[in-house]
Amino acid sequence: AQSVSQHNHHVILSEAASLELGCNYSYGGTVNLFWYVQYPGQHLQLLLKYFSGDPLVKGIKGFEAEFIKSKFSFNLRKPSVQWSDTAEYFCAVTTDSWGKLQFGAGTQVVVTP
Amino acid sequence: GAVVSQHPSRVICKSGTSVKIECRSLDFQATTMFWYRQFPKKSLMLMATSNEGSKATYEQGVEKDKFLINHASLTLSTLTVTSAHPEDSSFYICSAQEADVNEQFFGPGTRLTVL
Repeated sequence: AQSVSQHNHHVILSEAASLELGCNYSYGGTVNLFWYVQYPGQHLQLLLKYFSGDPLVKGIKGFEAEFIKSKFSFNLRKPSVQWSDTAEYFCAVTTDSWGKLQFGAGTQVVVTP
Repeated sequence: GAVVSQHPSRVICKSGTSVKIECRSLDFQATTMFWYRQFPKKSLMLMATSNEGSKATYEQGVEKDKFLINHASLTLSTLTVTSAHPEDSSFYICSAQEADVNEQFFGPGTRLTVL
């Protein structure tokens, strides 16, 4: 069965620190990859997505992610976090034409001032 | 653009009653809508996919007679939880997608509490 794994369930870091969240998927075919963010009390928002082309994808709010096909990974990075980046981050994958998303378990990120 | 709304945002009901949740795409036509369930401190679990004008496709383990989905127009899908029980208490989230656009836009969710 296909699955999406996020390595860290909870991350606490200080402002200006660098952030990297791991995401691995298990599917041998073509995938579309997404990172979503859910700020406290708000709905899910798309941070960035990868369909094809340059494996280094830049998203909103200074986030980027790198697709490494050989490692089945799509890790999210931000060089310098802010307190406002406190949120839950979800990696997601689609493998079919319907666009059905399979989500990872999510990573709660807390940025302290 | 690409706003999805859900109504109600919060509902409390008695065990055995039915509850309807609406999902609307406000500024685009959603040929496909998805319904998810999110448990506390857990990820989103896809319940079903609905295409406008056709029957919903349910994920394995989701009871189609309990979770009735209707997608009667390009801007509205409804999820009805029939004969609700306390174990149905959860956060239900919908998303909507335009034709030929591989991106889902999410609603704010509905918190259902069954007493």
